[in-house]
Amino acid sequence: RKEVEQDPGPFNVPEGATVAFNCTYSNSASQSFFWYRQDCRKEPKLLMSVYSSGNEDGRFTAQLNRASQYISLLIRDSKLSDSATYLCVVRTRSNDYKLSFGAGTTVTVRA
Amino acid sequence: GAVVSQHPSWVICKSGTSVKIECRSLDFQATTMFWYRQFPKQSLMLMATSNEGSKATYEQGVEKDKFLINHASLTLSTLTVTSAHPEDSSFYICSASPLAGGLWETQYFGPGTRLLVL
Repeated sequence: RKEVEQDPGPFNVPEGATVAFNCTYSNSASQSFFWYRQDCRKEPKLLMSVYSSGNEDGRFTAQLNRASQYISLLIRDSKLSDSATYLCVVRTRSNDYKLSFGAGTTVTVRA
Repeated sequence: GAVVSQHPSWVICKSGTSVKIECRSLDFQATTMFWYRQFPKQSLMLMATSNEGSKATYEQGVEKDKFLINHASLTLSTLTVTSAHPEDSSFYICSASPLAGGLWETQYFGPGTRLLVL
């Protein structure tokens, strides 16, 4: 079983729509969680960290469900510029800085 | 945010050639840098953890004699793909964490190097 699993999509949504997707992780001892964004043929860039209480950054809302071991990302009022692959990233052991990546969920926002 | 550079951004080489990729943290010091590889439509796979002043730690299945890593200073790590073959063609990305580190400390990624071995 993969350490981090994501629905690859693609999620094709019109501008202004809300889109949400999850990722599941297998290691219950995982301690920190992130969403990264990766544009085509580019490096990943941090979108937001995901805290236990959930957190919001503008149009982006992230939630963590430890009991069910999943993380979600919700994008409101989608923009064309939100089209990208969103990577779910999990740190499974403290103090060693290793990150485990999901394969990504592709979102395409159309005009 | 923090800046990490990689050089070169593109490499096309013949089979059997060795290729050296540099990763630099430009505005912070990093005792630890990471090297990843990403094949099309797949997730980033950690290859090795590069530690300044000591030997790199390789992930299972990664040949340390084929992928030579040197972390000579707090701002520079190099990955050398020795005797590259077509199956080594991939997107190689490095990342670095600032010295302070921490559980929630993020990694900053370089722009990646696309390697094509003919």
